[in-house]
Amino acid sequence: AQTVTQSQPEMSVQEAETVTLSCTYDTSENNYYLFWYKQPPSRQMILVIRQEAYKQQNATENRFSVNFQKAAKSFSLKISDSQLGDTAMYFCASSGENNAGNMLTFGGGTRLMVKP
Amino acid sequence: DTEVTQTPKHLVMGMTNKKSLKCEQHMGHRAMYWYKQKAKKPPELMFVYSYEKLSINESVPSRFSPECPNSSLLNLHLHALQPEDSALYLCASSQVGAFMVFGTKGLMNTEAFFGQGTRLTVV
Repeated sequence: AQTVTQSQPEMSVQEAETVTLSCTYDTSENNYYLFWYKQPPSRQMILVIRQEAYKQQNATENRFSVNFQKAAKSFSLKISDSQLGDTAMYFCASSGENNAGNMLTFGGGTRLMVKP
Repeated sequence: DTEVTQTPKHLVMGMTNKKSLKCEQHMGHRAMYWYKQKAKKPPELMFVYSYEKLSINESVPSRFSPECPNSSLLNLHLHALQPEDSALYLCASSQVGAFMVFGTKGLMNTEAFFGQGTRLTVV
């Protein structure tokens, strides 16, 4: 079983500033992926960034990067140069070994507001 | 084409109605999912289809009936719903999660692609 916890229900940041969203997880699996998904008001879940647990190097995707601390089971998301379009719900999620597909376990979400 | 298309986008139905939600993808994904999302909550997994067979049912009431007619289509048939079933229903697809090579299990890159959801209101 996997659990994912996001301790920040809401956050705000000024445009062009940097913000970090926290996520911790628990899993008994050896191989797993971690994800950050963004859900804007349009409702569609969009993958922001993905981390493979066996890779020590932190994933980066343009303005988005993660700080993956495997021993601490921590997976935070840093958004640099925040833009108004980054306003959305952000969900941290994990998936593990299974033959059925990518069953995602989601955290409770963090609502991010980027202010002009 | 990296789209998952869901229809309809909005649906209002009475408690005695029968309706269906539809989901389609053409990415060659062999795993498809239904999630239910209440307001301000994360998505909750309902069903998983792997190679067109139902592999996971997360104790969903029988008034929700999934169907996977082929590898590109996923339906969710609704009957005798309750007002508390009102929610956003999300469909997703991905490659199948794991594989076996020489007896060793490996984990595939299984990014899930989501549709825009169907906003369901039960009156």
